[in-house]
Amino acid sequence: GAVVSQHPSWVICKSGTSVKIECRSLDFQATTMFWYRQFPKQSLMLMATSNEGSKATYEQGVEKDKFLINHASLTLSTLTVTSAHPEDSSFYICSAVLHTHNSPLHFGNGTRLTVT
Amino acid sequence: KQEVTQIPAALSVPEGENLVLNCSFTDSAIYNLQWFRQDPGKGLTSLLLIQSSQREQTSGRLNASLDKSSGRSTLYIAASQPGDSATYLCAVTGAQKLVFGQGTRLTINP
Repeated sequence: GAVVSQHPSWVICKSGTSVKIECRSLDFQATTMFWYRQFPKQSLMLMATSNEGSKATYEQGVEKDKFLINHASLTLSTLTVTSAHPEDSSFYICSAVLHTHNSPLHFGNGTRLTVT
Repeated sequence: KQEVTQIPAALSVPEGENLVLNCSFTDSAIYNLQWFRQDPGKGLTSLLLIQSSQREQTSGRLNASLDKSSGRSTLYIAASQPGDSATYLCAVTGAQKLVFGQGTRLTINP
């Protein structure tokens, strides 16, 4: 089955630093990748949608200058949390899909970010 | 705006029982509905995907139904096992992309 690899699985960083999270589709080419964040005991909230070779589309309330998304190839998307603050501590999950709407989403295992 | 609700929020049952998880959505204009499983601190595992034109999907002990007109889906788990303990999320894909419910935290007691 389709595999999405997310790295790192957890990271601790100091306030003010930047953190990059990678999302790779290992055995298929993902036309679209999605980034979600999940606070404890809450559901996933979509942050942005990224299509290969174009700018990401951010959901309302998500700061695009803070959460930089790059989708340079059909198998790799990155999320960079810039100038991280403790309130950015969360669980970030990416997902990838071959074709929108009709195909299932495949998710990475998530990245636990803790900002101290 | 699409809203997805899952009831109950938590469920605890003895091993071996059959159980049903519920998911409702407010906007019936969806492309598909998907059920996921999430283990603590882990990503999501896709369980079943039901296209808007379908009524149900089955995989092993899992059966998911979809009634688009009433905005409801159920996930039926037969002969539950302790390994089924996890949070189950449903999500609908529509014009507003993928919208998740809050999940049902399921505990199967040995």
